[in-house]
Amino acid sequence: KNQVEQSPQSLIILEGKNCTLQCNYTVSPFSNLRWYKQDTGRGPVSLTIMTFSENTKSNGRYTATLDADTKQSSLHITASQLSDSASYICVVSDLQETGANNLFFGTGTRLTVIP
Amino acid sequence: NAGVTQTPKFRVLKTGQSMTLLCAQDMNHEYMYWYRQDPGMGLRLIHYSVGEGTTAKGEVPDGYNVSRLKKQNFLLGLESAAPSQTSVYFCASTTDRATEAFFGQGTRLTVV
Repeated sequence: KNQVEQSPQSLIILEGKNCTLQCNYTVSPFSNLRWYKQDTGRGPVSLTIMTFSENTKSNGRYTATLDADTKQSSLHITASQLSDSASYICVVSDLQETGANNLFFGTGTRLTVIP
Repeated sequence: NAGVTQTPKFRVLKTGQSMTLLCAQDMNHEYMYWYRQDPGMGLRLIHYSVGEGTTAKGEVPDGYNVSRLKKQNFLLGLESAAPSQTSVYFCASTTDRATEAFFGQGTRLTVV
C-alpha cells in the first residue's frame, strides 16, 4: 500500500533554532518527492521537488534530502523565524503510464516557532 | 497572474442542498485536481482531470461530480450534501506529472 508517514506530528522550537522534519514513504513506482508549506487557512505552497537522482535540494533556509534506497526524506529548517510556523507536508508522486500521476500526502508536521 | 482561484471561500449548507465549487487557473495547466482535507488526515483526491473534457475518479469520489468544460475551469459539484462532506476543499493544477502542483486557497464547507 502506498503510504507517506511524517514525524513528528508537531514540534515547538525557539526562534533562531534549527529543526529537522522526517518523511518515510512506501510509494512505488516513485517519481518525485515534494515538500509543501501550508499556512493556517491557506493552500499548500511548494518548497522543493526532488526526483530519484537528486539527494538534496535547497530553497533559502529550507534544505530537503532524499534517500531513495531507504525511502526517506528530511526537511531541515535553519535559523527558524516566526513566519516558519506552519504545517509542512511531504508529498510523494508515483509514476503512471497514462494520465495524471498520483500524489500521496503525509498528514504533515505542525511547526510552531516561539519568540 | 492569479494562479489558482477557488470560489467561494466559505459556505454553509443544509443537508440535502446542492452546490458547485469553482476552480479557475490562468497558467494553461493540463492537469487539475480536487482534494479534501480533514483533521488528522492527509489531502485525499476526490476527482481529477488530465485535460479539457476529461475527468476521472480519485480516492474518495462518492457524493461528488466534476466537469471540465473549459481548460481553465474545474467544477466540483455536491448534488445532495451530507454532514460527512464537511471539510476544506482544495483545488490544484499542474502542467505535467513531474512539476509542482499549485493549490488554491481552499474552500471551507460546513454541512449542517
